[in-house]
Amino acid sequence: QKEVEQDPGPLSVPEGAIVSLNCTYSNSAFQYFMWYRQYSRKGPELLMYTYSSGNKEDGRFTAQVDKSSKYISLFIRDSQPSDSATYLCAMSADSGGYNKLIFGAGTRLAVHP
Amino acid sequence: EAGVAQSPRYKIIEKRQSVAFWCNPISGHATLYWYQQILGQGPKLLIQFQNNGVVDDSQLPKDRFSAERLKGVDSTLKIQPAKLEDSAVYLCASSLRTNSNEQFFGPGTRLTVL
Repeated sequence: QKEVEQDPGPLSVPEGAIVSLNCTYSNSAFQYFMWYRQYSRKGPELLMYTYSSGNKEDGRFTAQVDKSSKYISLFIRDSQPSDSATYLCAMSADSGGYNKLIFGAGTRLAVHP
Repeated sequence: EAGVAQSPRYKIIEKRQSVAFWCNPISGHATLYWYQQILGQGPKLLIQFQNNGVVDDSQLPKDRFSAERLKGVDSTLKIQPAKLEDSAVYLCASSLRTNSNEQFFGPGTRLTVL
């Protein structure tokens, strides 16, 4: 079993739709939860960062963490064609002063006009 | 602020040949990472440097991969000899500190081994 599971998609939605992206994990030591966005032929860029459980909102993006279920989500409201990318969840535990990121496989999202 | 620079962007080699990738991190970033991203998978950490010292190289195939970060700035990753399964994108990232979860990635080097 992988430490982080993520449905690779692809996910295709119309412009303006609400998008829900999810990851599950098995390591209860994970405390930091990130969502990275990766456009084609580019490196990942940090989109959202959450510590422990709870919600965090930034514009059209909301990240949720449920540590009891080992489940994290990213919601995108009013999706735009520019949101078309691969979304990678990433997690880390505090390991003696350095944090090693464990990435999911990524979900490919296409938002069509 | 300039981002993480990597070169070359693309490389095609025959199996058993050697190849080297170069990375220049964001100025002032003490921590540098090399990741391997196989098609359809998330990035996997190969090696992490703090300045010019190795923090974690537990997933680096040391029989064929090597990396160095001389003077704590630029870094090179080498594969010798390459295998077919090394075909992937090699991403370099940097962060201010070794315990930072915000890593800044370069565009990657796409390696194809024939």
